[in-house]
Amino acid sequence: GDSVTQMEGPVTLSEEAFLTINCTYTATGYPSLFWYVQYPGEGLQLLLKATKADDKGSNKGFEATYRKETTSFHLEKGSVQVSDSAVYFCALNYGGATNKLIFGTGTLLAVQP
Amino acid sequence: DSGVTQTPKHLITATGQRVTLRCSPRSGDLSVYWYQQSLDQGLQFLIQYYNGEERAKGNILERFSAQQFPDLHSELNLSSLELGDSALYFCASSPHAGAIDEQYFGPGTRLTVT
Repeated sequence: GDSVTQMEGPVTLSEEAFLTINCTYTATGYPSLFWYVQYPGEGLQLLLKATKADDKGSNKGFEATYRKETTSFHLEKGSVQVSDSAVYFCALNYGGATNKLIFGTGTLLAVQP
Repeated sequence: DSGVTQTPKHLITATGQRVTLRCSPRSGDLSVYWYQQSLDQGLQFLIQYYNGEERAKGNILERFSAQQFPDLHSELNLSSLELGDSALYFCASSPHAGAIDEQYFGPGTRLTVT
């Protein structure tokens, strides 16, 4: 079945370091891809999305490019801040008759000052 | 604030009991989704309702059921609770059912079964 695989955390970085969180997917069709972020004690928020191959999603300095050839959607940020500390979830969604999200396991990011 | 509200915030109950979790979607959203977040299984889709009707089912146990009412709020009923049902239960909403809309998540209900 369809699935999403994320790199294991936690990822610990110093402020202003470069961030990459790897995400790969297995899908029978052509899903849309998402990154959600969960701050401590809160629900999930959509960070960015891409709906087709080669699309780049971006928001708040984060970017991810939909790579069909490598079935990947890696999250990157050039310079992380302490406030970026959160759990990041990669997800896919086919839309169509339903709108259910299939999530990866989540990656905890801890940014130290 | 996503506009999605969930009550209660925390729930502690014993094995074998039954609980009801409540979700109010964002104003105007017709679809409601329920997700379970646990250490074992991660974040899993349970069920979706659209305008009062069940639209999609995921990994929802037979002991669990849900409904969406005419005012569009939704309830998730969990019965014959087991220790393994302890988890964070999220509700999300979106304007439509089939389009790839952004889903807006509530803050969650943390269920602890003792």
